[in-house]
Amino acid sequence: EAQVTQNPRYLITVTGKKLTVTCSQNMNHEYMSWYRQDPGLGLRQIYYSMNVEVTDKGDVPEGYKVSRKEKRNFPLILESPSPNQTSLYFCASSLTLAGYETQYFGPGTRLLVL
Amino acid sequence: AQSVAQPEDQVNVAEGNPLTVKCTYSVSGNPYLFWYVQYPNRGLQFLLKYITGDNLVKGSYGFEAEFNKSQTSFHLKKPSALVSDSALYFCAVRDRTKAAGNKLTFGGGTRVLVKP
Repeated sequence: EAQVTQNPRYLITVTGKKLTVTCSQNMNHEYMSWYRQDPGLGLRQIYYSMNVEVTDKGDVPEGYKVSRKEKRNFPLILESPSPNQTSLYFCASSLTLAGYETQYFGPGTRLLVL
Repeated sequence: AQSVAQPEDQVNVAEGNPLTVKCTYSVSGNPYLFWYVQYPNRGLQFLLKYITGDNLVKGSYGFEAEFNKSQTSFHLKKPSALVSDSALYFCAVRDRTKAAGNKLTFGGGTRVLVKP
């Protein structure tokens, strides 16, 4: 089944404790992206990747890191989480970067930083 | 900068009645427009998109949307709503202009509640 998977789905952590949220897609998509969803703000892009070893900042990259060593994986790293990073996170992928491409979303990771 | 506005936080409609979810956008060039739906505890699912051509776009689950360039709108519609359509709906836009960098911008979302 074609899908985007994220792990973990739920995570409670404390300020300053490094964490990684994994994202994997099995559709051989070139383009992958991370978003955070906050009430009333919709989805805001954190980082995106156009292909292996090619990443760039989105609208709200501060406090986050990403890497794209393999085409299928795009982990999101919070080196020193803070309470304002409490949010619902989505990974997404699309076949290419072309503007008309549909993005496919993972199920989401709900993060609480205490 | 590109932007999307969904003016209604929530839309309530009786089952069987028409459903409309409003979306207006702002881009410097011409847009690609998308609608996504989010059911509770799920990721976003693609509903439909406007790329070019016919202004009326038909999508999944009986939804359609009309691109109106003069009003910069892309309202989502369904002739007869179902209780199962209750969800959170997001409009999104991409500017076709190369300088915009293929950034996808989402609106704040509209919660639809369909009552039996």
